[in-house]
Amino acid sequence: AQTVTQSQPEMSVQEAETVTLSCTYDTSESDYYLFWYKQPPSRQMILVIRQEAYKQQNATENRFSVNFQKAAKSFSLKISDSQLGDAAMYFCAYYSVKLVFGAGTILRVKS
Amino acid sequence: NAGVTQTPKFRVLKTGQSMTLLCAQDMNHEYMYWYRQDPGMGLRLIHYSVGEGTTAKGEVPDGYNVSRLKKQNFLLGLESAAPSQTSVYFCASKSVSYEQYFGPGTRLTVT
Repeated sequence: AQTVTQSQPEMSVQEAETVTLSCTYDTSESDYYLFWYKQPPSRQMILVIRQEAYKQQNATENRFSVNFQKAAKSFSLKISDSQLGDAAMYFCAYYSVKLVFGAGTILRVKS
Repeated sequence: NAGVTQTPKFRVLKTGQSMTLLCAQDMNHEYMYWYRQDPGMGLRLIHYSVGEGTTAKGEVPDGYNVSRLKKQNFLLGLESAAPSQTSVYFCASKSVSYEQYFGPGTRLTVT
């Protein structure tokens, strides 16, 4: 069964600085998708960024980018120029047949 | 375009009572999902549906039943609620590009 591991239960970053959230996964599949979701206190799940496994180029969405290392089964999220609104729980997720989530990382942003 | 909606947003049940959670989507998605979210455990898949009239078990299906009589609706039922089913429940639907769109969640407390 596929598993997703987020080894950092909590992270802190100063406003305007950069932070990286880690994610590793385990799979025997070659074709799959990876996602980062953000969950603010409102509870709404918001898609931050996605990566197709067959694409070598790392995905980027404005201040959010990923470092996808397929051989190492690693999928980290980098947030640049952190803002107070980035404070939330972040979930890494793997999709092949079903979406499997990691346990989440709480990100705190200090002003 | 409302996306994914869930009814109700909050509910308190006594042990042994039954209830149905309703999920509706207006994006014409074939795939729909029910998840539960517990502290420190991310989201876990309860049941899912790949189309009207079909349902399948996820990771934690015990104590729940589902029905997909119409493409736009996916119902989650608890026949005899237990305190272990206290959780936040999310419904989601999946686009053809594999992104899942989540509803706002239902907070259920079983006393």
